[in-house]
Amino acid sequence: DAKTTQPPSMDCAEGRAANLPCNHSTISGNEYVYWYRQIHSQGPQYIIHGLKNNETNEMASLIITEDRKSSTLILPHATLRDTAVYYCIVSPRRDDKIIFGKGTRLHILP
Amino acid sequence: EAQVTQNPRYLITVTGKKLTVTCSQNMNHEYMSWYRQDPGLGLRQIYYSMNVEVTDKGDVPEGYKVSRKEKRNFPLILESPSPNQTSLYFCASSWGLGSDLNYGYTFGSGTRLTVV
Repeated sequence: DAKTTQPPSMDCAEGRAANLPCNHSTISGNEYVYWYRQIHSQGPQYIIHGLKNNETNEMASLIITEDRKSSTLILPHATLRDTAVYYCIVSPRRDDKIIFGKGTRLHILP
Repeated sequence: EAQVTQNPRYLITVTGKKLTVTCSQNMNHEYMSWYRQDPGLGLRQIYYSMNVEVTDKGDVPEGYKVSRKEKRNFPLILESPSPNQTSLYFCASSWGLGSDLNYGYTFGSGTRLTVV
């Protein structure tokens, strides 16, 4: 079973920041938080990952709470092309078995 | 371009006719894996390989075989396909265990298989 909880769907207006929450209350000390997204039926795409510090790359920012029990993926200026299912996954960095849950279906509204 | 290439993208076949879905990566990744995706069931791992000649079962291995004779290739073999193997299949690769370069999986574009 997936070790994360995400809302099944969210809406966001185009041009606004999309904030996608994820609960991972049973996360272990050696587990990272990974985010992927899947656009329609394409292969999932890696977005970002982090351990305890906040992370930012060209696609998104990842905010992890101090107790590491939850995190938020931020897409700073959402576009229609960001419409996708977003998966939050916790996994040890050196464990290659990742379990995808149901994710959050993000709808970007024009 | 760094990528995982799957072929074919679409395949319709008949029950019992052996088929192979190919997967190739050009990133020198040690780890490769196969997933299937079905409505309501999400992505489930079929088989994975941590390196050449090393393969292991994932969560739903029944009815599938794999081989890893070369680092770049990881074909998925259905010896006797059945209609319940109709699904969307994805191959993925990563740097693997023990690597600090493990920045996540790279997935292929998918193979949509229909078994009639």
